Amino acid sequence: DVKVTQSSRYLVKRTGEKVFLECVQDMDHENMFWYRQDPGLGLRLIYFSYDVKMKEKGDIPEGYSVSREKKERFSLILESASTNQTSMYLCASSLSLTDTEAFFGQGTRLTVV
Amino acid sequence: RKEVEQDPGPFNVPEGATVAFNCTYSNSASQSFFWYRQDCRKEPKLLMSVYSSGNEDGRFTAQLNRASQYISLLIRDSKLSDSATYLCVVNLYNFNKFYFGSGTKLNVKP
Repeated sequence: DVKVTQSSRYLVKRTGEKVFLECVQDMDHENMFWYRQDPGLGLRLIYFSYDVKMKEKGDIPEGYSVSREKKERFSLILESASTNQTSMYLCASSLSLTDTEAFFGQGTRLTVV
Repeated sequence: RKEVEQDPGPFNVPEGATVAFNCTYSNSASQSFFWYRQDCRKEPKLLMSVYSSGNEDGRFTAQLNRASQYISLLIRDSKLSDSATYLCVVNLYNFNKFYFGSGTKLNVKP
């Protein structure tokens, strides 16, 4: 079974802190994604990566950056956390450009106070 | 305009009922289509892919209408365990991005 693991289920951080969300997948997938999920807005793509050290902005990249130094690991960084970044963050991976499914981690619920 | 639009529901149906959800997508270049299921406080998981000719998996039937740019999910003989949020997903090959609808909530009641 594909496993996508996010480092934390719940996080509480203060405004202005730098926050790291880590995601690891164990199936040698090329593509990895970071989404945030908010009520009524669904999943919105923040960033994705199709290879090591390669990244592309999604639909809402402002206030975020990412790092992919190794194929299995994709990190989301909140440079200076703000209260409007309180959300559920979901990491996903997929095998290739063909029509394969996306596998999700269990999610990190981040609260910024 | 959102890439993928869904009726948020909730759809409240009795056990044994048949229920159908539709979803529309805006980009005619969309190449692959899926329905995901998300239980409360859990991550989304693939329910089924949607093929051009339509496909069935037990009580679930998915259809694609490219001309009208919508996909549908039909659930027959609803079970209590079908209660969840159903997410419509489209994928654009060129950008390798998955676009998710905001989900349709289904409540199956005894």
